[in-house]
Amino acid sequence: DTGVSQDPRHKITKRGQNVTFRCDPISEHNRLYWYRQTLGQGPEFLTYFQNEAQLEKSRLLSDRFSAERPKGSFSTLEIQRTEQGDSAMYLCASSLGAAANEKLFFGSGTQLSVL
Amino acid sequence: AQKVTQAQTEISVVEKEDVTLDCVYETRDTTYYLFWYKQPPSGELVFLIRRNSFDEQNEISGRYSWNFQKSTSSFNFTITASQVVDSAVYFCALSEAWNTDKLIFGTGTRLQVFP
Repeated sequence: DTGVSQDPRHKITKRGQNVTFRCDPISEHNRLYWYRQTLGQGPEFLTYFQNEAQLEKSRLLSDRFSAERPKGSFSTLEIQRTEQGDSAMYLCASSLGAAANEKLFFGSGTQLSVL
Repeated sequence: AQKVTQAQTEISVVEKEDVTLDCVYETRDTTYYLFWYKQPPSGELVFLIRRNSFDEQNEISGRYSWNFQKSTSSFNFTITASQVVDSAVYFCALSEAWNTDKLIFGTGTRLQVFP
């Protein structure tokens, strides 16, 4: 059990550029979540997958954001035309089981800075 | 509307002191789940406990204990004989039965334990 891994750990980009983050969940975990955390705040839900199906998206997820989990394993989160307001820690989490409300295993996050 | 309030932004204690972190929640649902997560400086949130709304029994796990009171909509967390390794940000979170796939987090309480 290697835990949830996220890549990169840090990303600095210029406003208007596109960025993509990757999340590798714990093997066999069928649920995968993306959260966003800004300084001094708790994580905010963005979206989640059950296997390869994206089942819910938050209103926080504008059209510039897209997430995929093509084979039900790793997931990518892409932000197009980044804005300074996108600067945040992007956290990925996974869980096992058919039911929700199971405990989540989080990665260390990708810290995005948009200049 | 669902909401989690952690009024204590930051708490500082000296090692071996007991400390209680407060959590107050709001929900219209009668079935819900409450969680505590710890976020050490490394960034990844670590699950501590999950409690469902029908189980008001207090729980103790080593130096950690939780007090769930539906009458006051509170789910407080106490660390007994604190240690420097307890220094972290602690988040309380809520998940509602009708919307079980996302957690609503509070803003967190930063605990600093000094030697």
